[in-house]
Amino acid sequence: GAVVSQHPSRVICKSGTSVKIECRSLDFQATTMFWYRQFPKQSLMLMATSNEGSKATYEQGVEKDKFLINHASLTLSTLTVTSAHPEDSSFYICSARDTRGGYGYTFGSGTRLTVV
Amino acid sequence: QQQVKQSPQSLIVQKGGISIINCAYENTAFDYFPWYQQFPGKGPALLIAIRPDVSEKKEGRFTISFNKSAKQFSLHIMDSQPGDSATYFCAASYNTDKLIFGTGTRLQVFP
Repeated sequence: GAVVSQHPSRVICKSGTSVKIECRSLDFQATTMFWYRQFPKQSLMLMATSNEGSKATYEQGVEKDKFLINHASLTLSTLTVTSAHPEDSSFYICSARDTRGGYGYTFGSGTRLTVV
Repeated sequence: QQQVKQSPQSLIVQKGGISIINCAYENTAFDYFPWYQQFPGKGPALLIAIRPDVSEKKEGRFTISFNKSAKQFSLHIMDSQPGDSATYFCAASYNTDKLIFGTGTRLQVFP
C-alpha cells in the first residue's frame, strides 16, 4: 500500500527561528501533496496544496510567507514555518494522493511543533 | 457548499455494540467519500471509502451506507471493540481535488 513518511515527528524550536518539515511518498510518485494543520480535539484544516514543479496553492487566510512550501520532486514536499511564534505551535500533517489504484489519499504520521 | 457536517461529536458504545457516525454534505459534485480513523498523536488512516454510484460498501466490521438523494453517508462499526476507540473523520472530495473533512467524532468503546 501507499506509504507517506513525515519527518520529524516532534520538534521544539525557539521563537523567531524557522523549522522545516519533510513529507515523502515512499513507494509512489505524488504530483500533488496537501498540508494540514490540526489543533487539539479539532478537525484537519487544509493549509495548502503542493504541486510538483509549481507554486503551492494556499487556502484563504494562510500566510504564504509564513508557511513556505516546496515540492521539488515527485516524492518530496517540504513545509517551512518561518520566524515561528508560539501561536504556530500545532500538529502539522501532510497527505499525498496515490493515483495508481484510484483516489487514495494517504497521510503522514504528523509533526508536533512546539515553539517556545 | 464545501462543508461536510458530522455527528455526533462524541459517542460512547459498549463492547460488542454498533457504532454509527453520520455525515451530510451540500456539494453534489463530490465524488469520493472516505472515512478516516485517527489515534492521538498520529496521522489519519483510511478505513473505508465509497463512490456515489453505490449505496453500501462493507469491509470487515466497517460499513459505509450512502444516500445520494439525501446527501448523507454514514459509518457503521459492527461488534465495536476497545481498540476502535479513536477519532473518526468523514471527508469528501471532487475530481481528485483536496479533501474536505468533517468535524470529527470521538468514539469510546468500553469493555
